[in-house]
Amino acid sequence: KAGVTQTPRYLIKTRGQQVTLSCSPISGHRSVSWYQQTPGQGLQFLFEYFSETQRNKGNFPGRFSGRQFSNSRSEMNVSTLELGDSALYLCASSWGQGAEKLFFGSGTQLSVL
Amino acid sequence: GENVEQHPSTLSVQEGDSAVIKCTYSDSASNYFPWYKQELGKGPQLIIDIRSNVGEKKDQRIAVTLNKTAKHFSLHITETQPEDSAVYFCAASRGNNNDMRFGAGTRLTVKP
Repeated sequence: KAGVTQTPRYLIKTRGQQVTLSCSPISGHRSVSWYQQTPGQGLQFLFEYFSETQRNKGNFPGRFSGRQFSNSRSEMNVSTLELGDSALYLCASSWGQGAEKLFFGSGTQLSVL
Repeated sequence: GENVEQHPSTLSVQEGDSAVIKCTYSDSASNYFPWYKQELGKGPQLIIDIRSNVGEKKDQRIAVTLNKTAKHFSLHITETQPEDSAVYFCAASRGNNNDMRFGAGTRLTVKP
């Protein structure tokens, strides 16, 4: 069974730009969560999507948004990028909403210059 | 909200020795405690988890213990091997991944 796939692996953007990250969950998993990982703040929850609806949201500004498609694939968008948005963005899938066992992808490393 | 503290931040052991990583949590309603291993260039991988109705769980060389009264749980790795070298994260939640809080991580180095 294929794991969680995230694209692209690396991104370099400049301040003020926007970026879209993609995540394909494990086949059969219907929930996708997004996390931001930085050396200073560690792993922080961004949001969770289930059945194309955002079910839960972490404490991040509205510049961070996402969506989920009918095939459970998800995208995350960050608008008006700031230097502090530089981080590893991880997607995790699970079989159902709020399900505890998370399966992470390898992440997208975003650098904002 | 939940606060998870993890110690030590770095740990170096000789191959074959045991390694212990400890975490404490603040929310008494937390009932699910997973441990993740993150290797360089990869995402975290779930290696073992425990629920609050269980005091100990073991899977081959890995074990986790939970003390609900003291609100702490630990990861034990026996007979360590170089491939165990990675960053390990503990986490705690009430059962919804939106409130899962992660520890800061422990960088384990196993010297051959």
